[in-house]
Amino acid sequence: TQLLEQSPQFLSIQEGENLTVYCNSSSVFSSLQWYRQEPGEGPVLLVTVVTGGEVKKLKRLTFQFGDARKDSSLHITAAQPGDTGLYLCAGAIMYSGGGADGLTFGKGTHLIIQP
Amino acid sequence: DAGVIQSPRHEVTEMGQEVTLRCKPISGHDYLFWYRQTMMRGLELLIYFNNNVPIDDSGMPEDRFSAKMPNASFSTLKIQPSEPRDSAVYFCASSPRQGRYGYTFGSGTRLTVV
Repeated sequence: TQLLEQSPQFLSIQEGENLTVYCNSSSVFSSLQWYRQEPGEGPVLLVTVVTGGEVKKLKRLTFQFGDARKDSSLHITAAQPGDTGLYLCAGAIMYSGGGADGLTFGKGTHLIIQP
Repeated sequence: DAGVIQSPRHEVTEMGQEVTLRCKPISGHDYLFWYRQTMMRGLELLIYFNNNVPIDDSGMPEDRFSAKMPNASFSTLKIQPSEPRDSAVYFCASSPRQGRYGYTFGSGTRLTVV
């Protein structure tokens, strides 16, 4: 069972369209991160959200953390071919004692933006 | 800073051979992580270190896998003996702190066991 479920798995759209991808879990996370990975490279951090209901914007990308801190979404406005890549969400479960495990990653959404 | 440096970038080996993957984390980062990525299973955490000490190795698939961090600037992941099902991309990542801080990943080592 995957701790973090991402949907859709694959998405191919035309340049200029808007899109939303989702990251869902039954677990509560102390923080959630989004990464983008390009072929042959490691994931690169885009954003970290910490507070339930938090919204962060990065140019045309809008990230939202669910109120219950169990889910998140990434919305891209006017997608461009440069947005093509694998988008991964990752969650950190913080223990009450202050310790934390390593990040758990979803399988990602493969996004292709066609010119 | 040059980022997280992994070597080699590609490794092709025969089944049964020993394979050693190397990682140099970002200076000053106290946490080092080893992940494995496959199409079927995505990114899986294998083991992580804090201040050179292994904290959680529950993700290491079998006794054939071992990892060491002899000092703050170097870590190895060893597979002995290697098997075809070990074929994957192995990533090393480092972070200044745990929890909400982002990870910086290396470019990965693509391992093929034939």
